[in-house]
Amino acid sequence: SQQGEEDPQALSIQEGENATMNCSYKTSINNLQWYRQNSGRGLVHLILIRSNEREKHSGRLRVTLDTSKKSSSLLITASRAADTASYFCATSGDYTGANSKLTFGKGITLSVRP
Amino acid sequence: DTGVSQNPRHKITKRGQNVTFRCDPISEHNRLYWYRQTLGQGPEFLTYFQNEAQLEKSRLLSDRFSAERPKGSFSTLEIQRTEQGDSAMYLCASSSGGAGPYLYGYTFGSGTRLTVV
Repeated sequence: SQQGEEDPQALSIQEGENATMNCSYKTSINNLQWYRQNSGRGLVHLILIRSNEREKHSGRLRVTLDTSKKSSSLLITASRAADTASYFCATSGDYTGANSKLTFGKGITLSVRP
Repeated sequence: DTGVSQNPRHKITKRGQNVTFRCDPISEHNRLYWYRQTLGQGPEFLTYFQNEAQLEKSRLLSDRFSAERPKGSFSTLEIQRTEQGDSAMYLCASSSGGAGPYLYGYTFGSGTRLTVV
């Protein structure tokens, strides 16, 4: 079963604009991760934020986590056409054994127009 | 090491046939996961190995599905008597042990797309 919901389901922006994607989840988590998937390909890990962190940056990516609201957001700044992909948030329990498995949302389709 | 490798990339099979997929994880990763992804959905967890031990199986993994990781390296996922509902992308991921997934996330393969006709 899916853990969470991403919002919006689809997003279309102009190159150079910022893209903000939201994710909500249902149960307590140890960490939340964002992945990118290009059409027909595997998933690429983008960024991980732990439950005791509120904000994290990696290059053009900024992720926030609000555990009281069970929600996260991913901001991609200065978007490029190459950012066009599906983006998924995924949560896991702690990293011991099977609790480390990921539970994914349904994903957000981002289109960046050149 | 070029990452997680999955073979074949595509498989078309007739309903009722058996199929087997292979996953070669990153060599130093002792954890291996199988996921299934249908069109427009996020990946759903199927099963998890730590070394050669299969430690968890999802309820999605019916009796027709079996996974092995005999020497704690590569893994195979077999589907017997395939049904049209088995059509999906089957993804394999690996991670290092200990706090690896917590620190570095997971490395996914490109997947095997199964079409049952």
